[in-house]
Amino acid sequence: EAGVAQSPRYKIIEKRQSVAFWCNPISGHATLYWYQQILGQGPKLLIQFQNNGVVDDSQLPKDRFSAERLKGVDSTLKIQPAKLEDSAVYLCASSLATGDLYEQYFGPGTRLTVT
Amino acid sequence: KQEVTQIPAALSVPEGENLVLNCSFTDSAIYNLQWFRQDPGKGLTSLLLIQSSQREQTSGRLNASLDKSSGRSTLYIAASQPGDSATYLCALGLGAGKSTFGDGTTLTVKP
Repeated sequence: EAGVAQSPRYKIIEKRQSVAFWCNPISGHATLYWYQQILGQGPKLLIQFQNNGVVDDSQLPKDRFSAERLKGVDSTLKIQPAKLEDSAVYLCASSLATGDLYEQYFGPGTRLTVT
Repeated sequence: KQEVTQIPAALSVPEGENLVLNCSFTDSAIYNLQWFRQDPGKGLTSLLLIQSSQREQTSGRLNASLDKSSGRSTLYIAASQPGDSATYLCALGLGAGKSTFGDGTTLTVKP
């Protein structure tokens, strides 16, 4: 079974530029998560989708971050404009459904460096 | 607000030693607790998932326990190997698929 795919793996941009990340979850997984992981910390949830609808985006800095999952499969996360403090690893995860019986499966992440 | 603490932040042990990693939390109203492993530059790999009604789960050399009343979970690794070197994170299930993570314990197993 193919895992969660993310691209690009690494990205370096200057502050105030924009950047987009892509995630393809495990086939058949209805729930998709985007996390931000700052070096030395655990992942922090940015947004959670159930199919193509948003379940929770309360921690998403909506003035600069946006995310979509238009067809309920793959998803993109965008930052515009980027700030230095956005330097982090952005992790995508998926689970079969929304619920506490289901494990989350993580992709390899995209490491973003903002200079 | 739920707070998750993993102490120590880093641990170094000789190969073959049995060890325990700790995860403590402030609110016992959790749905599950999951232990993950993260290798450098990689994503998270799920190790064990304990539902709130369970006390422990075992997989190979790993055993995870959950005591909601005391706000603690432990991950026991038997006969540690250099390949076990990684960062171990615990995550608390808060309901509706949401999780909050600890900052992890970085384990180094020396040959």
